[in-house]
Amino acid sequence: AQSVTQLDSHVSVSEGTPVLLRCNYSSSYSPSLFWYVQHPNKGLQLLLKYTSAATLVKGINGFEAEFKKSETSFHLTKPSAHMSDAAEYFCVVSDPLGNMLTFGGGTRLMVKP
Amino acid sequence: DTEVTQTPKHLVMGMTNKKSLKCEQHMGHRAMYWYKQKAKKPPELMFVYSYEKLSINESVPSRFSPECPNSSLLNLHLHALQPEDSALYLCASSQYDSGLAKNIQYFGAGTRLSVL
Repeated sequence: AQSVTQLDSHVSVSEGTPVLLRCNYSSSYSPSLFWYVQHPNKGLQLLLKYTSAATLVKGINGFEAEFKKSETSFHLTKPSAHMSDAAEYFCVVSDPLGNMLTFGGGTRLMVKP
Repeated sequence: DTEVTQTPKHLVMGMTNKKSLKCEQHMGHRAMYWYKQKAKKPPELMFVYSYEKLSINESVPSRFSPECPNSSLLNLHLHALQPEDSALYLCASSQYDSGLAKNIQYFGAGTRLSVL
């Protein structure tokens, strides 16, 4: 069994300030974790994936996530928010094959000018 | 290139209509998926096709009928839908990632369906 909890349903930051989107997971397996982003009226785009090769994972558009096994967390960060980052972000854990994705509830990121 | 193409982008249908959603990928992915996403909610898995065979059906009502005619194409046939079926329908296909030793899913932009 697996589950994902995104701790904030909404996060609001000013442009140029850091972004932190929090995610905790539970998994019966060695976890495979992802972050997807969904811009308004769009599909989901893969931001980054945890491969177990490194605990700090770099993704697209300057985003990073750090895997912390002891805290069962996979928080998403970005040093400086851009207006174009405003979107819905989903933390996802996958089954061993990658067919069954369990989504967190999503975090809506708002970026103020 | 990780492009999954869905058509149409928008669809309005009555409860007695029959319509189909189409999903196409030319990346050689051998697994394809249908998801349903209601407003302000995460996607919910409906069906998984692996090597053109239905491998997972998440107890979806029979008014939704998937079809995989070939390895590049996935259809979702709709018949006698209800207004509560209005949602964004997302298609995904997956590529095997040797580093992760599992499939990575790539999503299309979706079809926004309204049932009147």
